[in-house]
Amino acid sequence: GEDVEQSLFLSVREGDSSVINCTYTDSSSTYLYWYKQEPGAGLQLLTYIFSNMDMKQDQRLTVLLNKKDKHLSLRIADTQTGDSAIYFCAEAPSWGKFQFGAGTQVVVTP
Amino acid sequence: DADVTQTPRNRITKTGKRIMLECSQTKGHDRMYWYRQDPGLGLRLIYYSFDVKDINKGEISDGYSVSRQAQAKFSLSLESAIPNQTALYFCATSDDGPGTLTQYFGPGTRLTVL
Repeated sequence: GEDVEQSLFLSVREGDSSVINCTYTDSSSTYLYWYKQEPGAGLQLLTYIFSNMDMKQDQRLTVLLNKKDKHLSLRIADTQTGDSAIYFCAEAPSWGKFQFGAGTQVVVTP
Repeated sequence: DADVTQTPRNRITKTGKRIMLECSQTKGHDRMYWYRQDPGLGLRLIYYSFDVKDINKGEISDGYSVSRQAQAKFSLSLESAIPNQTALYFCATSDDGPGTLTQYFGPGTRLTVL
C-alpha cells in the first residue's frame, strides 16, 4: 500500500512497551485500523479508531491519532512473546476499499 | 467453524497452468475481496465485489480473473500462472456500513508457481 507507510521491523524485550508507527495520506478516512497477523494465519482486527478521536485504549493497547500529521500509532504495554506477529495499519478512504501498509514485523525477545 | 474459508490452503503448480482459488463465507456480507501478500509489500488488492453483480478491479488485476458465484462465494483464477504470482493469497469480507467496515480474512492460500 503506497499510501500507508510503516516501518518494517521492530524488536522489543518482553515486558517493555512496543510502539508501532504509521502514516497515511487520505484525510477523508473515517476509520483507521490495526490488524495483527500471526504466522500461518490471516489478518485479524486488533483495534480501530474513529477519525474524530485522538486516542483509544483497549486493555494493553493504546491507539493515538494525529490527524494534522496523518500519523497513527499503536502502543502495546507489557509486551509478551504472544505479541510477536506482523502488524498492519490500514485506512478506508472510501466505502469498502481498504489501503494497507506493508506491515511491521514485531519480534519479542526474552 | 471459520467464518471465511479458503481452498486450497497450499498449492504448487507449474508455469502456464490454470489455477482457481476458492473462498466461501458464512458472515452474510455482500462485500468480498481478494488480496495477495508479498514480503515487504503488504497486502495488495486484486479484485473486489460489492455484491453478486458487481465486480471491480483492484490495483494489480492483470493476470487474474474472478467469479462471484453467489453472495457467499468468490473465486480467483490465474488463467496462465507465472512464477511472479507466487504469493500468499487472502480472501476477505466486510459489511456494508455504516459502521466500522471491518474486514474479516480467510486463513490464506499459499501458491507456488514453478
